[in-house]
Amino acid sequence: SAVISQKPSRDICQRGTSLTIQCQVDSQVTMMFWYRQQPGQSLTLIATANQGSEATYESGFVIDKFPISRPNLTFSTLTVSNMSPEDSSIYLCSVGLAAADTQYFGPGTRLTVL
Amino acid sequence: GESVGLHLPTLSVQEGDNSIINCAYSNSASDYFIWYKQESGKGPQFIIDIRSNMDKRQGQRVTVLLNKTVKHLSLQIAATQPGDSAVYFCAERFGNMLTFGGGTRLMVKP
Repeated sequence: SAVISQKPSRDICQRGTSLTIQCQVDSQVTMMFWYRQQPGQSLTLIATANQGSEATYESGFVIDKFPISRPNLTFSTLTVSNMSPEDSSIYLCSVGLAAADTQYFGPGTRLTVL
Repeated sequence: GESVGLHLPTLSVQEGDNSIINCAYSNSASDYFIWYKQESGKGPQFIIDIRSNMDKRQGQRVTVLLNKTVKHLSLQIAATQPGDSAVYFCAERFGNMLTFGGGTRLMVKP
């Protein structure tokens, strides 16, 4: 498996502002993903973070709202832009290893928008 | 406080009993399935997986059963312990994409 860290672990933000969440992995990984987990809900894939190219977004998520960077094989950021209270969620980074099929998750970032 | 699992179905079991958590998946072409455990304030933790060419796989105290005919997955936990209390999610994979089920909260009574 891989050791995955996220920063910040939690934040409380004002409506209309933006927050950038960082995901750091202790080894190079093939795939990196960002998920959202709304209160009391399951996980929904936001996008696949592609190294050296634009992220691949799932239906219902757009780059203007959730810009993603992946400058190398161990790091990615997700920005939640122009936040509203509906963006209050847990945001999770996950990675897929070349030698394994499963995805491993970071600890999550708990975002509250007032 | 932690908001994960507030509205999820709940399974309550006595410590020492066996637990069975069920999941219906949606895509008959999914080739790989995973069970995750999510404790309060943490990210999902891998428990056990199974490929579509298998119908049963055992780990330490956990067993996953796959019934492709009815698109059903189950997680069996033997001798359930207080530390097993968490929300459990199944996930199915098609291509590189994981799709998660709704989750079940497991509560273990001492």
